[in-house]
Amino acid sequence: QVQLQESGPGLVKPSETLSLTCTVSGGSISSYYWSWIRQPPGKGLEWMGYISYSGGTYHNPSLKSRVTISLDTSKNQFSLELSSVTAADTAVYYCARAMAYSPWDYWGQGTLVTVSS
Amino acid sequence: QSALTQPASVSGSPGQSITISCTGTSSDVGGYNYVSWYQQHPGKAPKLMIYEVSNRPSGVSNRFSGSKSGNTAFLTISGLQAEDEADYYCSSYATSTFFGGGTKLTVL
Repeated sequence: QVQLQESGPGLVKPSETLSLTCTVSGGSISSYYWSWIRQPPGKGLEWMGYISYSGGTYHNPSLKSRVTISLDTSKNQFSLELSSVTAADTAVYYCARAMAYSPWDYWGQGTLVTVSS
Repeated sequence: QSALTQPASVSGSPGQSITISCTGTSSDVGGYNYVSWYQQHPGKAPKLMIYEVSNRPSGVSNRFSGSKSGNTAFLTISGLQAEDEADYYCSSYATSTFFGGGTKLTVL
């Protein structure tokens, strides 16, 4: 059974870079697509971007290139960096998995990141 | 990037059926059969309930069904149960991923 677990700081200062890691267990990080999806408190889901098993990436244009997603196959992990954060970036951040042309089927439990000074 | 449009809330009594709509465009919902639905209970991660418009993952109750007409997809829950009370999100995942704004289901 594949499991995903997010980790990283729960508090980030405005204008700094938010960094999170998703550790995948119970399966290989190869042959899948890996995504970050966030949810501000009390609001809906926002897809941020994905990285493929081959390292190709695509991010939500609304995030204006603030998003960087990377893959570490040796550790079975992938990571998110979101630069120049503001209070609007406060959210629960989820990592998720999909196959090509398939929905995001496995999700982590989510981690709350608060942007505040 | 456009979000998909869902009603903010729906409600129904135990045993009844409800339907949640999800309206997109011909570039997403209408153009492909890559529509999924998620159920989210408070404090929990979303759970995949329907994929490719009408398919259920293993373990999902057959009380949940999906369909599509034109640019609008539908999630129907029959035989409503108290445990169905949750937020429901539709998603289009063809060329990119779009989510609907979510619908809060209240079981009266």
